[in-house]
Amino acid sequence: DIVMTQSPDSLAVSLGERATINCKSSQSVLYSSNNKNYLAWYQQKPGQPPKLLIYWASTRESGVPDRFSGSGSGTDFTLTISSLQAEDVAVYYCQQYYSTLALTFGGGTKVEIK
Amino acid sequence: QVQLQESGPGLVKPSETLSLTCTVSGGSISSYYWSWIRQPAGKGLEWIGRIYTSGSTNYNPSLKSRVTMSVDTSKNQFSLKLSSVTAADTAVYYCARFPPGDAFDIWGQGTMVTVSS
Repeated sequence: DIVMTQSPDSLAVSLGERATINCKSSQSVLYSSNNKNYLAWYQQKPGQPPKLLIYWASTRESGVPDRFSGSGSGTDFTLTISSLQAEDVAVYYCQQYYSTLALTFGGGTKVEIK
Repeated sequence: QVQLQESGPGLVKPSETLSLTCTVSGGSISSYYWSWIRQPAGKGLEWIGRIYTSGSTNYNPSLKSRVTMSVDTSKNQFSLKLSSVTAADTAVYYCARFPPGDAFDIWGQGTMVTVSS
């Protein structure tokens, strides 16, 4: 299985400041035939299901604010919230869908307000 | 828009079989993969498996021996059976849509299942 490792486990950021979450995969999730990274980011608020934010490592899902951005390729990825808002308090997960026989998630990163 | 709703018993006895159904509304179940994902309280997400509308399945290797998924296109539903459950199977169970070559774009609200005698 492809192991997804997120860091940090949690972070506290002041309102309006930048939040950065890292995700590392144990093997590349870049599909060479189409040059796409099979990596997604989800946001989960308490008592709610996860919500897709980013797919193909950097493509925002429709309706997701542009303060959320994804970057990276191969095995190293980053989710950035450029200016943290109160409603962004949540747990964020990365997930690889390169290996469709064994889809895996990162352990999650909890984002709080400092 | 497409919505998913999980249903099934909230309490299952140890060693018995957990059975859940996901109903798809607002769109067709056809031409997509559909998945089950679970989340123990306070923990992360674990993919259980996926089923295509043809009935083709893939299961998490760690659960494969206990998992069976099925699909009923006439009812726009797909189902999960997890056998020989233990307390470790206590979790919120989500169903989700998994378009071919894409991420989980639509999720149900989740249903809590507790394994206890």
